[in-house]
Amino acid sequence: DAGITQSPRYKITETGRQVTLMCHQTWSHSYMFWYRQDLGHGLRLIYYSAAADITDKGEVPDGYVVSRSKTENFPLTLESATRSQTSVYFCASSPTGSGRSSYNEQFFGPGTRLTVL
Amino acid sequence: AQSVTQLDSHVSVSEGTPVLLRCNYSSSYSPSLFWYVQHPNKGLQLLLKYTSAATLVKGINGFEAEFKKSETSFHLTKPSAHMSDAAEYFCVVTYNAGNMLTFGGGTRLMVKP
Repeated sequence: DAGITQSPRYKITETGRQVTLMCHQTWSHSYMFWYRQDLGHGLRLIYYSAAADITDKGEVPDGYVVSRSKTENFPLTLESATRSQTSVYFCASSPTGSGRSSYNEQFFGPGTRLTVL
Repeated sequence: AQSVTQLDSHVSVSEGTPVLLRCNYSSSYSPSLFWYVQHPNKGLQLLLKYTSAATLVKGINGFEAEFKKSETSFHLTKPSAHMSDAAEYFCVVTYNAGNMLTFGGGTRLMVKP
């Protein structure tokens, strides 16, 4: 089916373990994003990617690693999970970059709820 | 740095009454502003967007928002609430060309029968 999907939808892990969250989009959008959602903070940008093999840090990148070898996939890895990384993670995609006068909507996946014990 | 403040973390209205969700933004340059809605256990959906065209923006499901530069506000309104409007709403701002969005803290809208 067309769209943006995330897997797993729910994940429980332990402190110190490596975890990878997957994101896949079928629109061939250039831009992809990872956000985390925590109570009272709205969504905060972790990393984003303007195209395959191009990634950049967002507001809260520490403790996370991303890669983008293919346009349609943008996995997020927690190299050594900590309890503070317990959160809901959203992936999003957007057709192109934008200036102030032309914005392209970001399309969000359903989210992954991650619990780190 | 850009920022956006949603003035109410929770709003409760009765079905059929007006909805007002308040949002103020910091302004160094002309912003692009958006409202997103998140229903329980769902991803975010764009309600409407302001990108320097008309200051009164109409969105989906009867929502609209007015960009007021003098007040640095972008409040979301709807004349008559429905039960299905119960959700969390996010005011979002961006200024630059890298699609860097800044989210407000969210407002949870509750609709009473």
